[in-house]
Amino acid sequence: ETGVTQTPRHLVMGMTNKKSLKCEQHLGHNAMYWYKQSAKKPLELMFVYSLEERVENNSVPSRFSPECPNSSHLFLHLHTLQPEDSALYLCASSQDQGPYEQYFGPGTRLTVT
Amino acid sequence: GENVEQHPSTLSVQEGDSAVIKCTYSDSASNYFPWYKQELGKGPQLIIDIRSNVGEKKDQRIAVTLNKTAKHFSLHITETQPEDSAVYFCAASIGNYQLIWGAGTKLIIKP
Repeated sequence: ETGVTQTPRHLVMGMTNKKSLKCEQHLGHNAMYWYKQSAKKPLELMFVYSLEERVENNSVPSRFSPECPNSSHLFLHLHTLQPEDSALYLCASSQDQGPYEQYFGPGTRLTVT
Repeated sequence: GENVEQHPSTLSVQEGDSAVIKCTYSDSASNYFPWYKQELGKGPQLIIDIRSNVGEKKDQRIAVTLNKTAKHFSLHITETQPEDSAVYFCAASIGNYQLIWGAGTKLIIKP
């Protein structure tokens, strides 16, 4: 256990659905991240939150909408996704933003049909 | 844009032998270089990292070397064991909080 939990672990959704991914960290960290992991490709950073404020949005399509209500919780709201959005979505946290160890959750395997 | 290249994409070694994975980065301002291990069904987990003021760092069977002039760094695993089988990712820091990741190396330990 890394101290970072993600739910659900698996999600299948149609292109017209709306769903949310949830991440919770029990480490007292100040920074949280969403990554997209596709097979045989580098991890793609999507969003970074530091002390509940978004500090980075890496040109992510608006069909992905993050929310960070407090420093322990991070959500990724999904709507009108495309099949190419199917991937493993990883949440991570770190002590602060910067060159610190990132602790990852197990990910949510998303399939868009 | 900035990138990190990682080689090989797959590495198969005999149990007990050594494994070496290499990465090159493009941003000369990068100063933090972590290595992560990802096992099936889990997220990546940090196994070792190095900062730009150090050329080599060791932790039991694993070591990382950094050549800032050539902009490359390597992971060395000695006396490989079955539990070392996993996907390994290198990364390099850019800016204040981002990491640029390599595409991963699948390490297979043959019994």
